[in-house]
Amino acid sequence: NAGVTQTPKFQVLKTGQSMTLQCAQDMNHEYMSWYRQDPGMGLRLIHYSVGAGITDQGEVPNGYNVSRSTTEDFPLRLLSAAPSQTSVYFCASSYSITGGETQYFGPGTRLLVL
Amino acid sequence: SQQGEEDPQALSIQEGENATMNCSYKTSINNLQWYRQNSGRGLVHLILIRSNEREKHSGRLRVTLDTSKKSSSLLITASRAADTASYFCATDPNAGNMLTFGGGTRLMVKP
Repeated sequence: NAGVTQTPKFQVLKTGQSMTLQCAQDMNHEYMSWYRQDPGMGLRLIHYSVGAGITDQGEVPNGYNVSRSTTEDFPLRLLSAAPSQTSVYFCASSYSITGGETQYFGPGTRLLVL
Repeated sequence: SQQGEEDPQALSIQEGENATMNCSYKTSINNLQWYRQNSGRGLVHLILIRSNEREKHSGRLRVTLDTSKKSSSLLITASRAADTASYFCATDPNAGNMLTFGGGTRLMVKP
């Protein structure tokens, strides 16, 4: 299994540009989520999904959209990038949607917005 | 807002010593998890402790949970240089996978 994969590894955007961060998992996990990590801080939940076709907002959803058309993929879209969105983005997945299970994290995407 | 707060923020020890990190949280939880993050990498799950458990062990790791004090501790015994990383606690308030992370403890183990 490849686990959780993320692309790209690094991206530079200009203010106002849009882009999609890709996340895929091959473990047949129902639960997937996106976090951002700012320097010296812990992770904050952006959006999550408990299955194909079902998504919901986390702690910091503004400026981001998600969709879940398949169990495997959970892309994160930045609609109009802002410097405040400079961060490292992590995708995670878990087998259970009811919690209490290990979450598996991808390697992250470093995003710089100029 | 951060539910968990780790203490200390940074810790430097010699190889072979024990490392203790503490986590305090604000609201009730279903479970608490500890993760390790090596520099520039993703998070790796270390251990999960449920609210009805007081202590768990995994290899050189020992986690305790005191729900009355809303606190947890992670003990790494006989530390190695390879343990150098940031360690995060994450709380799950209602078994819904919506983890809230603390700011982390940066551990440096000197050879």
